[in-house]
Amino acid sequence: GDSVTQMEGPVTLSEEAFLTINCTYTATGYPSLFWYVQYPGEGLQLLLKATKADDKGSNKGFEATYRKETTSFHLEKGSVQVSDSAVYFCAGGGANNLFFGTGTRLTVIP
Amino acid sequence: EADIYQTPRYLVIGTGKKITLECSQTMGHDKMYWYQQDPGMELHLIHYSYGVNSTEKGDLSSESTVSRIRTEHFPLTLESARPSHTSQYLCASSESRQMGRISTDTQYFGPGTRLTVL
Repeated sequence: GDSVTQMEGPVTLSEEAFLTINCTYTATGYPSLFWYVQYPGEGLQLLLKATKADDKGSNKGFEATYRKETTSFHLEKGSVQVSDSAVYFCAGGGANNLFFGTGTRLTVIP
Repeated sequence: EADIYQTPRYLVIGTGKKITLECSQTMGHDKMYWYQQDPGMELHLIHYSYGVNSTEKGDLSSESTVSRIRTEHFPLTLESARPSHTSQYLCASSESRQMGRISTDTQYFGPGTRLTVL
């Protein structure tokens, strides 16, 4: 079945460090791809998305590019802040339900 | 962005009680979902609905039930709560968008209900 595999955490970085969280997908078709973020005690918030190959999603300094050749959608940010500490979920889907990765916990220390 | 609400945010109850977790959205989305999130963070789809009077079980077997009598409302009920039901429950909604040959649904989540059964 369709699935995504994302980098296991936890990830701990110093403020202003570069962030990469890897995500690869397996799907029979061409799913839309998403990154969601979950802050403590809250639900998931959509961070960015891409609907077709070579699309780049971006928001709040985060970016991810839909790479069909490597079936990947890695999340990157050039300079993380303490406020970016959260759990990040990669997800994929089409007309029906989404399939989620297991989540990566990011902690940014001052 | 969707406005989606869940109540209560936190609930602590005793074993055997009947509970209903409320979920409402104001954007007229046709699709709604319930997820159970375990302490390891992984999300498990337990119920979904593609419209009024439509409900389906998700990937994870659950003793809960749902109903969809109105588009905006998708409550989840546990007839007899047990400690194994202790979890975070997340509700989401989406609207189908067709972009050329691509059909894409973006799910928007509520804040969640943290349920503890003693």
